[in-house]
Amino acid sequence: GAGVSQTPSNKVTEKGKYVELRCDPISGHTALYWYRQSLGQGPEFLIYFQGTGAADDSGLPNDRFFAVRPEGSVSTLKIQRTERGDSAVYLCASSLTVDQPQHFGDGTRLSIL
Amino acid sequence: GESVGLHLPTLSVQEGDNSIINCAYSNSASDYFIWYKQESGKGPQFIIDIRSNMDKRQGQRVTVLLNKTVKHLSLQIAATQPGDSAVYFCAEKLRGGADGLTFGKGTHLIIQP
Repeated sequence: GAGVSQTPSNKVTEKGKYVELRCDPISGHTALYWYRQSLGQGPEFLIYFQGTGAADDSGLPNDRFFAVRPEGSVSTLKIQRTERGDSAVYLCASSLTVDQPQHFGDGTRLSIL
Repeated sequence: GESVGLHLPTLSVQEGDNSIINCAYSNSASDYFIWYKQESGKGPQFIIDIRSNMDKRQGQRVTVLLNKTVKHLSLQIAATQPGDSAVYFCAEKLRGGADGLTFGKGTHLIIQP
């Protein structure tokens, strides 16, 4: 079956621009997570959705980052006024319920020039 | 500091041998642990998980051991194959805490022919 799908796979943009990263979770998965992974590091938690609501956004680094999941399926991570330090791989994961294993997509590699 | 870490950044084993990847965690409030395999350019792939009410869990060619006394987690891979070459991450979730996973830095497993 289809796994977690993330688009685009790569995004290059200039400092100060706005970007949107999309995540299509596994069908039927109610929980959706965003992580950020820097080179040589493990993923770092950003935000968790249960259904349409952000149940935990404690990992978002600042108010330039926000995410939505309006219909409880697809989610978009939005970054305003991008900075070079935002360059990383942004990973999305979903799980059937919050107590089940999280399954990851292949991520969006974001490069801020 | 990180609550989850790995003892060795790189592990080299002969094809056909068994591999053991170790992970130390410091937060006794963690009650769920999970191992992921990540290949270059891909997202983390779920291998196996274990809850704190268990000491051992087996999957296909993999076994996870949990020692709560010394806060240690290990992943054993039997009869290592070239396709097992990847970075392996352990991750934890805190009991009653945020629903995002906390990852360690990872161990790079290299399979020698």
